[in-house]
Amino acid sequence: DGGITQSPKYLFRKEGQNVTLSCEQNLNHDAMYWYRQDPGQGLRLIYYSQIVNDFQKGDIAEGYSVSREKKESFPLTVTSAQKNPTAFYLCASSGTGEWQPQHFGDGTRLSIL
Amino acid sequence: GNSVTQMEGPVTLSEEAFLTINCTYTATGYPSLFWYVQYPGEGLQLLLKATKADDKGSNKGFEATYRKETTSFHLEKGSVQVSDSAVYFCAFRGGGGNKLTFGTGTQLKVEL
Repeated sequence: DGGITQSPKYLFRKEGQNVTLSCEQNLNHDAMYWYRQDPGQGLRLIYYSQIVNDFQKGDIAEGYSVSREKKESFPLTVTSAQKNPTAFYLCASSGTGEWQPQHFGDGTRLSIL
Repeated sequence: GNSVTQMEGPVTLSEEAFLTINCTYTATGYPSLFWYVQYPGEGLQLLLKATKADDKGSNKGFEATYRKETTSFHLEKGSVQVSDSAVYFCAFRGGGGNKLTFGTGTQLKVEL
């Protein structure tokens, strides 16, 4: 079955440590996205990529970095510069065209030790 | 700027009650509109969509009609079940680019 796989499901970070969240899709989608979700709030866009080797900052990119070396993969690194990283992180992908919906993974919950 | 406004939750209903979750949007042009559902501990699943004015999206007994004149996309279901308990997000995509603009979500609780 086609879909989006995020790993790990739960992740713990120590103060001052960088961590990388994995996102892989086999839907052959060109565009991929990373969102952050905090309790009681909507989704906020961190980074997005519309094509391999290209990506743009979203609304809350500070303290995060991404790469898009392969069409299938869009890893997100939460750096030590992100002062409040505890959240639920969601990866999504979509085809091009404004009528195309985004398809989401099951998320990674990041907590600080 | 672009934005989505949803009614605040939680919305608590008895099983078989009628559901309406209001959603209005502010956008340029003619966006595509979506409703997503999130069950506890999971990602978002597409529930339904509409891509032009007067379109009605429907799925699993849920419906929403794209009302351009009122810039609204209200979600309705005639008879909710306990299994419908989840958080519902209204979103639109348009105005150039592939980004989705989300509302803050409405939590629905359905009780026996």
